[in-house]
Amino acid sequence: KQEVTQIPAALSVPEGENLVLNCSFTDSAIYNLQWFRQDPGKGLTSLLLIQSSQREQTSGRLNASLDKSSGRSTLYIAASQPGDSATYLCAAPSGNTPLVFGKGTRLSVIA
Amino acid sequence: GAVVSQHPSRVICKSGTSVKIECRSLDFQATTMFWYRQFPKKSLMLMATSNEGSKATYEQGVEKDKFLINHASLTLSTLTVTSAHPEDSSFYICSARIPGRYGYTFGSGTRLTVV
Repeated sequence: KQEVTQIPAALSVPEGENLVLNCSFTDSAIYNLQWFRQDPGKGLTSLLLIQSSQREQTSGRLNASLDKSSGRSTLYIAASQPGDSATYLCAAPSGNTPLVFGKGTRLSVIA
Repeated sequence: GAVVSQHPSRVICKSGTSVKIECRSLDFQATTMFWYRQFPKKSLMLMATSNEGSKATYEQGVEKDKFLINHASLTLSTLTVTSAHPEDSSFYICSARIPGRYGYTFGSGTRLTVV
């Protein structure tokens, strides 16, 4: 059974700082991994999807990496902005379950 | 593309009443949709898989008679919380696989408060 863990649970950084969010998963037989953003009381916005054949994906200031062998993924945010403040969720499929989510990292970027 | 619309965004109901939540795929057909529940500061937990034209598949521990799922068309799935109680208060969110890709797209969620 897939378990997804995200570290840290919360993070507060000053504006402009580069930061890394970590995600680990127990079942490495995944075909992809997806990172989402969730604003308070809102739904999920897909940020990046990494296929198992890829090692990383980039979108603007975001870069996600995937290391299946070690069961890890990281989300790198460059030059953070107050608008980046949100909860970031990592999710991976498991068997017949479409996505198993971590508990998220709550990010606060201070102006 | 691949937009999922979920309504209502918020609902407050009295204990014992039923509430219906709709999830529509706007620009694609979804033979399968997924319903999740999220408790405060917790992960999203898969409740059930909604299959067009057939019965939903429920995860272990989810009451089928309390959470009724209907997927009557290729673009609409509904979740009805029957005889709601305060412990059913939560954030419910639906999802569908993005056609032609491996990722998933999510609705905007429904905050249910049972008083």
